[in-house]
Amino acid sequence: AQKITQTQPGMFVQEKEAVTLDCTYDTSDPSYGLFWYKQPSSGEMIFLIYQGSYDQQNATEGRYSLNFQKARKSANLVISASQLGDSAMYFCAMREVSSNTGKLIFGQGTTLQVKP
Amino acid sequence: DTGVSQNPRHKITKRGQNVTFRCDPISEHNRLYWYRQTLGQGPEFLTYFQNEAQLEKSRLLSDRFSAERPKGSFSTLEIQRTEQGDSAMYLCASSFGDTHYEQYFGPGTRLTVT
Repeated sequence: AQKITQTQPGMFVQEKEAVTLDCTYDTSDPSYGLFWYKQPSSGEMIFLIYQGSYDQQNATEGRYSLNFQKARKSANLVISASQLGDSAMYFCAMREVSSNTGKLIFGQGTTLQVKP
Repeated sequence: DTGVSQNPRHKITKRGQNVTFRCDPISEHNRLYWYRQTLGQGPEFLTYFQNEAQLEKSRLLSDRFSAERPKGSFSTLEIQRTEQGDSAMYLCASSFGDTHYEQYFGPGTRLTVT
Protein backbone atom coordinates (compact mmCIF):
# COMPACT_ATOMS: atom_id res chain seq x y z
CA ALA A 1 0.00 0.00 0.00
CA GLN A 2 1.22 3.49 -0.76
CA LYS A 3 2.44 5.25 2.34
CA ILE A 4 4.70 8.09 3.43
CA THR A 5 6.35 8.01 6.84
CA GLN A 6 7.97 10.97 8.57
CA THR A 7 9.30 9.81 11.91
CA GLN A 8 10.45 13.16 13.31
CA PRO A 9 7.52 15.09 14.77
CA GLY A 10 9.77 18.02 15.65
CA MET A 11 13.30 19.17 14.93
CA PHE A 12 15.48 22.04 16.12
CA VAL A 13 18.40 23.53 14.23
CA GLN A 14 20.71 26.43 14.89
CA GLU A 15 20.57 29.28 12.40
CA LYS A 16 23.11 28.87 9.56
CA GLU A 17 23.50 25.14 10.16
CA ALA A 18 22.25 22.34 7.91
CA VAL A 19 19.38 20.05 8.85
CA THR A 20 18.03 16.78 7.42
CA LEU A 21 14.34 15.90 7.55
CA ASP A 22 13.61 12.20 7.10
CA CYS A 23 11.06 10.63 4.77
CA THR A 24 10.51 7.00 3.85
CA TYR A 25 7.93 5.76 1.40
CA ASP A 26 6.26 2.57 0.32
CA THR A 27 4.88 1.87 -3.14
CA SER A 28 4.67 -0.97 -5.61
CA ASP A 29 4.56 1.41 -8.56
CA PRO A 30 7.93 1.49 -10.37
CA SER A 31 7.25 5.04 -11.54
CA TYR A 32 6.55 7.67 -8.92
CA GLY A 33 7.37 11.21 -7.90
CA LEU A 34 8.43 12.51 -4.53
CA PHE A 35 7.74 16.04 -3.35
CA TRP A 36 8.53 18.21 -0.37
CA TYR A 37 6.27 21.04 0.74
CA LYS A 38 6.67 23.70 3.42
CA GLN A 39 3.69 24.92 5.43
CA PRO A 40 4.34 28.04 7.51
CA SER A 41 1.98 29.06 10.30
CA SER A 42 -0.01 31.04 7.74
CA GLY A 43 -1.21 27.69 6.37
CA GLU A 44 -0.32 27.82 2.68
CA MET A 45 1.53 24.81 1.28
CA ILE A 46 4.66 25.89 -0.60
CA PHE A 47 6.29 23.52 -3.11
CA LEU A 48 10.03 23.09 -2.47
CA ILE A 49 11.50 20.27 -4.52
CA TYR A 50 10.68 17.26 -6.70
CA GLN A 51 12.44 13.93 -7.35
CA GLY A 52 11.36 11.40 -9.96
CA SER A 53 11.90 7.71 -9.36
CA TYR A 54 13.97 7.36 -12.52
CA ASP A 55 16.07 10.46 -11.97
CA GLN A 56 19.72 9.52 -11.75
CA GLN A 57 20.81 12.53 -9.76
CA ASN A 58 19.53 13.96 -6.52
CA ALA A 59 17.35 17.03 -6.98
CA THR A 60 18.57 20.42 -5.78
CA GLU A 61 16.78 23.77 -5.56
CA GLY A 62 18.82 26.54 -3.99
CA ARG A 63 19.35 25.67 -0.32
CA TYR A 64 17.18 22.56 -0.64
CA SER A 65 18.45 19.19 -1.77
CA LEU A 66 16.86 15.80 -1.74
CA ASN A 67 18.89 12.79 -0.63
CA PHE A 68 17.21 10.07 -2.68
CA GLN A 69 18.11 6.47 -1.79
CA LYS A 70 15.85 4.32 -3.94
CA ALA A 71 16.88 0.94 -2.54
CA ARG A 72 16.13 2.13 0.98
CA LYS A 73 12.96 3.93 -0.17
CA SER A 74 14.01 7.14 1.46
CA ALA A 75 13.82 10.74 0.25
CA ASN A 76 15.28 12.97 2.91
CA LEU A 77 15.22 16.76 2.59
CA VAL A 78 18.41 18.61 3.38
CA ILE A 79 18.20 22.34 4.12
CA SER A 80 21.58 24.05 4.13
CA ALA A 81 22.39 27.30 5.93
CA SER A 82 19.13 27.40 7.88
CA GLN A 83 17.36 30.73 8.22
CA LEU A 84 14.80 31.88 10.78
CA GLY A 85 12.21 31.93 8.00
CA ASP A 86 12.66 28.19 7.54
CA SER A 87 10.71 27.57 10.74
CA ALA A 88 7.61 25.75 9.53
CA MET A 89 5.96 22.36 9.05
CA TYR A 90 7.49 20.25 6.30
CA PHE A 91 5.62 17.54 4.43
CA CYS A 92 6.93 14.76 2.23
CA ALA A 93 4.52 13.55 -0.44
CA MET A 94 4.37 10.95 -3.19
CA ARG A 95 2.44 10.50 -6.41
CA GLU A 96 2.25 7.16 -8.21
CA VAL A 97 2.58 7.76 -11.94
CA SER A 98 1.71 4.41 -13.52
CA SER A 99 -1.74 4.28 -11.97
CA ASN A 100 -2.45 7.71 -13.49
CA THR A 101 -3.79 8.96 -10.19
CA GLY A 102 -3.76 12.66 -9.54
CA LYS A 103 -3.48 12.46 -5.81
CA LEU A 104 -0.54 13.19 -3.59
CA ILE A 105 -0.10 11.03 -0.51
CA PHE A 106 1.34 13.07 2.36
CA GLY A 107 3.24 12.12 5.47
CA GLN A 108 2.33 13.49 8.89
CA GLY A 109 4.91 16.22 8.70
CA THR A 110 7.91 17.45 10.68
CA THR A 111 7.90 20.74 12.55
CA LEU A 112 11.22 22.54 12.15
CA GLN A 113 12.25 25.33 14.49
CA VAL A 114 15.31 27.40 13.66
CA LYS A 115 17.04 28.93 16.67
CA PRO A 116 18.85 32.29 16.40
CA ASP B 1 0.97 35.85 -11.97
CA THR B 2 -1.77 35.21 -9.45
CA GLY B 3 -1.69 32.02 -7.45
CA VAL B 4 -4.52 29.73 -6.42
CA SER B 5 -7.22 31.60 -4.53
CA GLN B 6 -9.88 30.24 -2.21
CA ASN B 7 -12.97 31.81 -0.73
CA PRO B 8 -13.98 32.20 1.95
CA ARG B 9 -10.84 31.92 4.05
CA HIS B 10 -12.83 31.09 7.17
CA LYS B 11 -16.31 29.68 7.63
CA ILE B 12 -18.16 29.01 10.87
CA THR B 13 -21.40 27.13 10.54
CA LYS B 14 -23.84 25.24 12.70
CA ARG B 15 -24.19 21.50 12.49
CA GLY B 16 -26.67 20.50 9.82
CA GLN B 17 -26.14 23.54 7.61
CA ASN B 18 -24.81 23.39 4.05
CA VAL B 19 -21.60 25.18 3.07
CA THR B 20 -19.93 25.87 -0.26
CA PHE B 21 -16.32 26.75 -0.92
CA ARG B 22 -14.81 28.17 -4.08
CA CYS B 23 -11.39 27.65 -5.63
CA ASP B 24 -9.88 29.61 -8.50
CA PRO B 25 -6.82 27.84 -9.90
CA ILE B 26 -3.85 29.33 -11.71
CA SER B 27 -5.28 30.29 -15.08
CA GLU B 28 -3.34 27.97 -17.38
CA HIS B 29 -3.62 24.93 -15.09
CA ASN B 30 -5.93 22.18 -16.35
CA ARG B 31 -5.91 20.04 -13.21
CA LEU B 32 -7.56 21.00 -9.94
CA TYR B 33 -7.43 19.10 -6.65
CA TRP B 34 -9.22 19.24 -3.32
CA TYR B 35 -7.63 18.08 -0.06
CA ARG B 36 -8.69 18.17 3.57
CA GLN B 37 -6.26 18.77 6.42
CA THR B 38 -6.97 18.34 10.11
CA LEU B 39 -4.78 19.78 12.84
CA GLY B 40 -1.35 18.17 13.05
CA GLN B 41 -1.89 15.94 10.03
CA GLY B 42 -0.86 16.00 6.40
CA PRO B 43 -3.44 16.84 3.74
CA GLU B 44 -5.73 14.02 2.60
CA PHE B 45 -6.85 13.79 -1.00
CA LEU B 46 -10.56 14.27 -1.72
CA THR B 47 -10.98 14.61 -5.47
CA TYR B 48 -9.49 16.01 -8.65
CA PHE B 49 -10.58 17.37 -12.01
CA GLN B 50 -8.94 17.48 -15.37
CA ASN B 51 -10.63 20.38 -17.11
CA GLU B 52 -14.32 19.88 -16.24
CA ALA B 53 -14.16 16.10 -15.77
CA GLN B 54 -13.99 14.73 -12.24
CA LEU B 55 -11.50 11.88 -12.68
CA GLU B 56 -11.00 10.54 -9.18
CA LYS B 57 -12.79 10.65 -5.82
CA SER B 58 -11.54 9.45 -2.47
CA ARG B 59 -13.71 7.27 -0.27
CA LEU B 60 -13.40 10.18 2.17
CA LEU B 61 -15.75 12.05 -0.13
CA SER B 62 -19.02 10.85 1.35
CA ASP B 63 -22.36 11.44 -0.33
CA ARG B 64 -22.65 14.67 1.66
CA PHE B 65 -19.75 16.10 -0.31
CA SER B 66 -19.98 17.20 -3.92
CA ALA B 67 -17.50 19.01 -6.11
CA GLU B 68 -17.94 20.64 -9.47
CA ARG B 69 -15.84 22.39 -12.04
CA PRO B 70 -18.47 23.35 -14.60
CA LYS B 71 -16.41 25.22 -17.17
CA GLY B 72 -13.01 23.81 -16.41
CA SER B 73 -11.98 26.94 -14.57
CA PHE B 74 -13.05 27.55 -10.96
CA SER B 75 -14.36 24.75 -8.74
CA THR B 76 -16.79 24.53 -5.87
CA LEU B 77 -16.88 22.06 -2.99
CA GLU B 78 -20.20 21.72 -1.20
CA ILE B 79 -20.78 19.96 2.09
CA GLN B 80 -24.38 19.20 2.94
CA ARG B 81 -25.71 18.63 6.47
CA THR B 82 -22.37 19.48 8.05
CA GLU B 83 -21.13 17.49 11.03
CA GLN B 84 -18.58 18.46 13.67
CA GLY B 85 -16.16 15.97 12.14
CA ASP B 86 -16.13 18.08 8.97
CA SER B 87 -14.20 20.80 10.82
CA ALA B 88 -10.89 21.06 8.99
CA MET B 89 -8.86 23.10 6.54
CA TYR B 90 -9.97 22.52 2.95
CA LEU B 91 -7.13 23.02 0.52
CA CYS B 92 -7.34 23.47 -3.22
CA ALA B 93 -4.41 22.94 -5.56
CA SER B 94 -3.83 23.13 -9.29
CA SER B 95 -1.26 21.85 -11.74
CA PHE B 96 -0.50 21.86 -15.43
CA GLY B 97 -0.19 18.47 -17.03
CA ASP B 98 -0.09 15.16 -15.29
CA THR B 99 3.43 13.85 -15.09
CA HIS B 100 5.76 15.19 -12.47
CA TYR B 101 4.27 18.62 -12.35
CA GLU B 102 4.01 20.00 -8.88
CA GLN B 103 0.70 21.03 -7.41
CA TYR B 104 0.36 24.62 -6.29
CA PHE B 105 -1.83 25.14 -3.27
CA GLY B 106 -4.16 27.92 -2.27
CA PRO B 107 -4.37 29.41 1.24
CA GLY B 108 -7.22 27.09 2.24
CA THR B 109 -10.66 27.53 3.74
CA ARG B 110 -10.88 26.79 7.45
CA LEU B 111 -14.26 25.31 8.34
CA THR B 112 -15.52 25.20 11.91
CA VAL B 113 -18.75 23.35 12.58
CA THR B 114 -20.32 24.21 15.94
